[in-house]
This record gives sequence, structure tokens and C-alpha cells, in this order.
Amino acid sequence: DGGITQSPKYLFRKEGQNVTLSCEQNLNHDAMYWYRQDPGQGLRLIYYSQIVNDFQKGDIAEGYSVSREKKESFPLTVTSAQKNPTAFYLCASSNPLGAYEQYFGPGTRLTVT
Amino acid sequence: GQQVMQIPQYQHVQEGEDFTTYCNSSTTLSNIQWYKQRPGGHPVFLIQLVKSGEVKKQKRLTFQFGEAKKNSSLHITATQTTDVGTYFCAGRGSEKLVFGKGMKLTVNP
Repeated sequence: DGGITQSPKYLFRKEGQNVTLSCEQNLNHDAMYWYRQDPGQGLRLIYYSQIVNDFQKGDIAEGYSVSREKKESFPLTVTSAQKNPTAFYLCASSNPLGAYEQYFGPGTRLTVT
Repeated sequence: GQQVMQIPQYQHVQEGEDFTTYCNSSTTLSNIQWYKQRPGGHPVFLIQLVKSGEVKKQKRLTFQFGEAKKNSSLHITATQTTDVGTYFCAGRGSEKLVFGKGMKLTVNP
């Protein structure tokens, strides 16, 4: 069964802690993306990666970090430097970058108190 | 940078009504995509338009790409409660796909 998995579905953290969100795909896609979704804000691009060991900042990368050590995995770390981390985080993949549709994972809802 | 704007941001219709929502880009696009996100769900790809003036239909949904490839529309005929959700357009300029803020549709049964 091909697709994108994100875990966990809900995540709670205390302010000041770093937290890593998981994203795995078995679609053999080269490109992967992280978006943040807030009410009324649509989808805002955090980071994207076109190929293993390479990634680029999106529109709102400050306070976030990523790695792409394997084609199928693109974890996102929300650092303590991110001022408003509470949000719905969506991971997506496509092949190749921008030309074809993006497949989204089910998302992780992060709450930081 | 490239911007994609959707209007209206919210739409409330009576079941059975028709309506149209619009997507406008600040730059010429190589393609435009539409996605639907059901409440509590994640965006799901609906369609991609590539050619100038292209029109595609999916049952009661009609998608159009403008002649200048800078705008697009989604027309829903005889709206049903199953159409509820947020519809995003996403335009590709030179490289990345840029999403609009979405149009949230609610339907009164």
C-alpha cells in the first residue's frame, strides 16, 4: 500500500523543547515538502528537498530544521527558536518538483504549551 | 515572489446551488493544480491544468485555466453536502508550487 505516513497524529510539548516530526514515503518520489497550516493561512512552505542530502528553505524556515539522509524519509525538527510552533504540520511528496501532483500525509497536530 | 490569491476565502451555499471560485496568480504559470481538504483531513489532489484555456470536468466540478495562464476557476454545479471542505489552488511558476490560502466551502442542507 503506497503512501505517506506521518507520526504521531497528535503531539504535545512544553515550551523550550525541540521536537521532531516524522515523515516517511514509499512512493519512490524524489521531492518532499513540509508545510505548516494555520486557520485562514492556507499552506505555507517550510522546507523542501529535491534529492537526498539536499534541501532548501521555503517561505517560513526560521525556527525549523530538516534532514534528508534517505530518499523515503524527511523529518522536521521544530526548535525552541520557533516562536509560534502550535500548528498542523503536513508532509508531502511529488515526482518531480512542482511538475506533478503532491501527495500529502495525514498530518501532525503539534501543541506547545 | 510569486503569489497566488483565491477569492472568495469563504463561501456558504444552499444545497443544490451552483457557484464559482477563482484563483489569480501574480505571474504566468506553467500549470495549476486544485486540491480539496475535507474537515479534519489532508489536501487531496483533484486536477492539473496545463494548457492555455484548458477546461476539464469531474462530474459536477468544472475547472478552467485562463487564456493568459494567470488565473483559474472552479465551478461546482448543484452543490452537495459532500462538497464541504477547503479547496486550494496551487500554481507552478518557474520551479516551486505555490498554494493559495484556500476557499472554505460550507453547505446548508
